[in-house]
Amino acid sequence: AQSVTQLDSHVSVSEGTPVLLRCNYSSSYSPSLFWYVQHPNKGLQLLLKYTSAATLVKGINGFEAEFKKSETSFHLTKPSAHMSDAAEYFCVVSANNNNDMRFGAGTRLTVKP
Amino acid sequence: DAGVIQSPRHEVTEMGQEVTLRCKPISGHDYLFWYRQTMMRGLELLIYFNNNVPIDDSGMPEDRFSAKMPNASFSTLKIQPSEPRDSAVYFCASRVVSEAFFGQGTRLTVV
Repeated sequence: AQSVTQLDSHVSVSEGTPVLLRCNYSSSYSPSLFWYVQHPNKGLQLLLKYTSAATLVKGINGFEAEFKKSETSFHLTKPSAHMSDAAEYFCVVSANNNNDMRFGAGTRLTVKP
Repeated sequence: DAGVIQSPRHEVTEMGQEVTLRCKPISGHDYLFWYRQTMMRGLELLIYFNNNVPIDDSGMPEDRFSAKMPNASFSTLKIQPSEPRDSAVYFCASRVVSEAFFGQGTRLTVV
């Protein structure tokens, strides 16, 4: 079985400052890991994914995440926040052998002007 | 491709009525997932299919919920009878290889 824990339910940053959204995972098998973003009243959009290739993954809109097996972490970062980044972010784990996806509880990112 | 298409976008129904949510996955995708999103429980996986066959329905909350995938281009999630606690946004997603694409969701309100 696999699961993810998003360590912060809410993160607030000022525009132009770095973003860090934390995610720890648990998986019995080699996991695939994803970050999705959900803007208000919208569906979910894939930001980036890790599937056992390079451990540092670059995604859309300047986001990136680093897979750290020793820490079972997959934190999402961005050097400089924009107002348009305000949304809900979900960390997702999928075990390669069974292909279902398990979502974290989500982190709401607020960006202050 | 138009992406994953869900219908209706919004549904308001009375308690006890049957509700059917529909999903058209992206052509060529061999996995289809149904999720439910609520404030209290976040995003929950209800059921997923591979090549139209249900693989894991352990997330289906109770017998009032059923899902079918009669062919590769269509799936339904049915609630009968519906209850107020079923009010949520229901997402369908389809997947090929490692990336899942989500529909816009159906917002269900049971009064």
